[in-house]
Amino acid sequence: AQSVTQPDIHITVSEGASLELRCNYSYGATPYLFWYVQSPGQGLQLLLKYFSGDTLVQGIKGFEAEFKRSQSSFNLRKPSVHWSDAAEYFCAVGTNTGNQFYFGTGTSLTVIP
Amino acid sequence: DGGITQSPKYLFRKEGQNVTLSCEQNLNHDAMYWYRQDPGQGLRLIYYSQIVNDFQKGDIAEGYSVSREKKESFPLTVTSAQKNPTAFYLCASTQIWQLNQPQHFGDGTRLSIL
Repeated sequence: AQSVTQPDIHITVSEGASLELRCNYSYGATPYLFWYVQSPGQGLQLLLKYFSGDTLVQGIKGFEAEFKRSQSSFNLRKPSVHWSDAAEYFCAVGTNTGNQFYFGTGTSLTVIP
Repeated sequence: DGGITQSPKYLFRKEGQNVTLSCEQNLNHDAMYWYRQDPGQGLRLIYYSQIVNDFQKGDIAEGYSVSREKKESFPLTVTSAQKNPTAFYLCASTQIWQLNQPQHFGDGTRLSIL
């Protein structure tokens, strides 16, 4: 069965520090992977996506993610966090069988000055 | 600009009442989805539709109903059978005939009990 695990429920980082949010997935075929960000009371905004090719993908707002098939991971990174990055982050896997999407439970990011 | 519009932004339900959440998209997407979001539980799929006049139950369909009479619209009704409807509801869409497309999301509707 498909599933997505985000092991960190909440992370706190200082502004200017680097960030890594973890995501592990379970899917039998080639996964289609996404990271979304959600501000309070808002919908989800796509940060980046991975389908194939280069395993390091660049997204919006200075985020990047690396696909590691051997570890079934798709971790999100940012070299220097800004206060405006405080939000909820969701990792998701998409399938090509009925266009289903599976989401992790999210990681809440707090940025301290 | 193309996008997904959810309305209302806030909705209150009385005991025994059915309420309907609106979702409209002008992205020409075939597939539409309804998710329920509760704190700490991520997104749970309620219903989805890949084509007009057809829809499928998701993981938590009990107490909810949908219709898909037009490609652009996918309203969700929260019935009185749903005993714990307080949550944030998100509508999403994607273009299924182009593989590997991400979902686009509306800004959500927050439903509360009076």
